[in-house]
Amino acid sequence: ETGVTQTPRHLVMGMTNKKSLKCEQHLGHNAMYWYKQSAKKPLELMFVYSLEERVENNSVPSRFSPECPNSSHLFLHLHTLQPEDSALYLCASSQNGRNQPQHFGDGTRLSIL
Amino acid sequence: TQLLEQSPQFLSIQEGENLTVYCNSSSVFSSLQWYRQEPGEGPVLLVTVVTGGEVKKLKRLTFQFGDARKDSSLHITAAQPGDTGLYLCAGGSSNTGKLIFGQGTTLQVKP
Repeated sequence: ETGVTQTPRHLVMGMTNKKSLKCEQHLGHNAMYWYKQSAKKPLELMFVYSLEERVENNSVPSRFSPECPNSSHLFLHLHTLQPEDSALYLCASSQNGRNQPQHFGDGTRLSIL
Repeated sequence: TQLLEQSPQFLSIQEGENLTVYCNSSSVFSSLQWYRQEPGEGPVLLVTVVTGGEVKKLKRLTFQFGDARKDSSLHITAAQPGDTGLYLCAGGSSNTGKLIFGQGTTLQVKP
């Protein structure tokens, strides 16, 4: 039990499909994150939400659209993705503030056909 | 741009051997965190170090933060097959507070 749950665990979609990734945390944290993990590359921070407001968008293409309806839930809406978007998408949560550890979900393995 | 370089990127050793993984940068970080990630799972925090020169021990794992807070090392004594995984270092940016991750070190410990 990680405290951070991501669904689905695996997703295969075509370039014209629309799908959503879901993340839920039960740790009482007030910050949530989306990361992209590709082989042999550092974890790439995509979006940060703090107190349900987006505080960071790391030049992510508009085909990725995040949503944070409350402090426990985070979504990543996907549309017209490209093959290079195939990766492991990780959600994390933490308390606000410097040096706070992040708690990760087990990720969604996304494959774009 | 703050970057963290991890070395080696891949390490395959026999059970019982010792090893050290390095995490280096030209930038100063407010903290350094180490995570371990097993296949099919997300990263799990092992330790956070915040003071230059700080040393923390977690059973057979020893973590050190450099005096200048620009580098860190992870030393494993008498490695076990259960230590197999991807080890990630992450620095807390002094400017933004967000985490900057290294590219990871894949460790394989053979029985």
